[in-house]
Amino acid sequence: DGGITQSPKYLFRKEGQNVTLSCEQNLNHDAMYWYRQDPGQGLRLIYYSQIVNDFQKGDIAEGYSVSREKKESFPLTVTSAQKNPTAFYLCASSIESQGRDTEAFFGQGTRLTVV
Amino acid sequence: GEDVEQSLFLSVREGDSSVINCTYTDSSSTYLYWYKQEPGAGLQLLTYIFSNMDMKQDQRLTVLLNKKDKHLSLRIADTQTGDSAIYFCAERPASGGYNKLIFGAGTRLAVHP
Repeated sequence: DGGITQSPKYLFRKEGQNVTLSCEQNLNHDAMYWYRQDPGQGLRLIYYSQIVNDFQKGDIAEGYSVSREKKESFPLTVTSAQKNPTAFYLCASSIESQGRDTEAFFGQGTRLTVV
Repeated sequence: GEDVEQSLFLSVREGDSSVINCTYTDSSSTYLYWYKQEPGAGLQLLTYIFSNMDMKQDQRLTVLLNKKDKHLSLRIADTQTGDSAIYFCAERPASGGYNKLIFGAGTRLAVHP
């Protein structure tokens, strides 16, 4: 079945450590996104990528890094520079096309907790 | 600026209609969306409406758009316990150059017997 898969579902990190969240899609979508979700807030865009080997900062990119070496994969690294990393992280993908509706498909999310 | 606002909580009785409201600020938005999030899960697209429409109906769901007031609503008829979830309103501004979505904070719908 086509879809978008995030792993792991739950992740614990010690303070000062970097950690990488995985996102894989087999929908042949060009565009991929990372969002952060905090209680009582909407989703905030961290990074997005419209094409392989290219990505752009979103609204809250500080303390995060990404790579897009393959079309199917868009891993997110939460670095030690991120001061408040405990959150629910959502990855999404879509066909990159302007001028018509393009649905964003979401993964099931990764809950990151700093201990 | 870009901002989407929704009330945070709604409680309804099973079988009643639910109405979730949303206001947005970017008048250039071409599409407006409603997403549903069940506990511990990702977002699922429920429905969307193009900005030149004022109503869209899809089974139990009715979306109303008042473009003048920048107000969007989602009505769920015959609300069931399985409808309990967080509902996100989102807009897609015409500017931005990519499939950028601006989300509201989400409305938690609680359905009780």
